[in-house]
Amino acid sequence: GAVVSQHPSWVICKSGTSVKIECRSLDFQATTMFWYRQFPKQSLMLMATSNEGSKATYEQGVEKDKFLINHASLTLSTLTVTSAHPEDSSFYICSASGTGKGLGTDTQYFGPGTRLTVL
Amino acid sequence: GQNIDQPTEMTATEGAIVQINCTYQTSGFNGLFWYQQHAGEAPTFLSYNVLDGLEEKGRFSSFLSRSKGYSYLLLKELQMKDSASYLCATSGTYKYIFGTGTRLKVLA
Repeated sequence: GAVVSQHPSWVICKSGTSVKIECRSLDFQATTMFWYRQFPKQSLMLMATSNEGSKATYEQGVEKDKFLINHASLTLSTLTVTSAHPEDSSFYICSASGTGKGLGTDTQYFGPGTRLTVL
Repeated sequence: GQNIDQPTEMTATEGAIVQINCTYQTSGFNGLFWYQQHAGEAPTFLSYNVLDGLEEKGRFSSFLSRSKGYSYLLLKELQMKDSASYLCATSGTYKYIFGTGTRLKVLA
């Protein structure tokens, strides 16, 4: 149980284009989803937290107009990187937490990540 | 403030035991987590401690002392596949904080 999928697993795009990354909880309802960014050999940096049906809460320094987050249902959240630039190239990881049988309290379950390369 | 400290790198031999320490300061405390992350992959959940004491799960054990703001992850009977980064994370009043991770190298 507690499986989170992410799509696509990798994407290469041209500078100035927008990229959408999907995060789905496959076997549980995710009341909260998180989006992280990780640069090589660095730790996870939380970008934003989203609850189903409400606006995402962005961390300090993260541009909400550039990183659009939508948490439309209890199983799906999307991150759209708008007008991507080479410095946005990174490993983007989503995670989800929820309530349900077998789920750990407050535990985040991570998707496999999306590697974004902006040329 | 909120802060997590853990060693940057550790090296151990296959079959040995290794202890990875983590100290933390957090606003509010809802639990301490350990995750394993292999290079290029997302973290996978290992353990969760909210009360003081030792939680054992197979070859991995995790210990917590809330009064000391201290936790450790104990890995027994090390295997080559245990070479990875181990992330300590706390859940507090406002959010989840991750440490920078400890890169563990297991040598044959």
